[in-house]
Amino acid sequence: QKEVEQNSGPLSVPEGAIASLNCTYSDRVSQSFFWYRQYSGKSPELIMSIYSNGDKEDGRFTAQLNKASQYVSLLIRDSQPSDSATYLCAAVSGGSYIPTFGRGTSLIVHP
Amino acid sequence: DADVTQTPRNRITKTGKRIMLECSQTKGHDRMYWYRQDPGLGLRLIYYSFDVKDINKGEISDGYSVSRQAQAKFSLSLESAIPNQTALYFCATSDDGQGALGYGYTFGSGTRLTVV
Repeated sequence: QKEVEQNSGPLSVPEGAIASLNCTYSDRVSQSFFWYRQYSGKSPELIMSIYSNGDKEDGRFTAQLNKASQYVSLLIRDSQPSDSATYLCAAVSGGSYIPTFGRGTSLIVHP
Repeated sequence: DADVTQTPRNRITKTGKRIMLECSQTKGHDRMYWYRQDPGLGLRLIYYSFDVKDINKGEISDGYSVSRQAQAKFSLSLESAIPNQTALYFCATSDDGQGALGYGYTFGSGTRLTVV
């Protein structure tokens, strides 16, 4: 059974701080990892993808992957109230290429 | 226009009624999916289709059926709606194989279904 685990939160950070969201996965052969942002009542929106160990930066977002530890994280620098949302982590393996989603972490950025 | 369009956006229906949720896409993707989302349970896969002639059950297909009318259209039906099918339903599309590894999903805007 493939699993992706996330702390449900909420994670509360002050405006301007760094928010750190974490995710672990059980399938050792997972190849690609995705972070989706979902505002309440809206659909998930892809914000980051990562395939190789290390860091990948895109604007205020940095995704980090450690395949040996089966660990993925998302850092949001200079957090804004508009970043308040639920963040879903997903892992994709070969074969069917259907992602396994975590249940999401709720992030609250307070002014 | 949105890449993935779901209709209706909201629907209230009575127990026992048959209801269809529709999804159409302009991404040109072969792969289409139906998920439901419940608070605290995350996204759960109902059915998926890798092309027009391919339909597969997901983890929670009981009580649901699907039809892939064309590459761009994938419909979800609740044969006899029950209250615990009240949820937010999402259609999604993805690229094939290696593309799915690279590009993730595009989601529709969702259908909020309430069964009373």
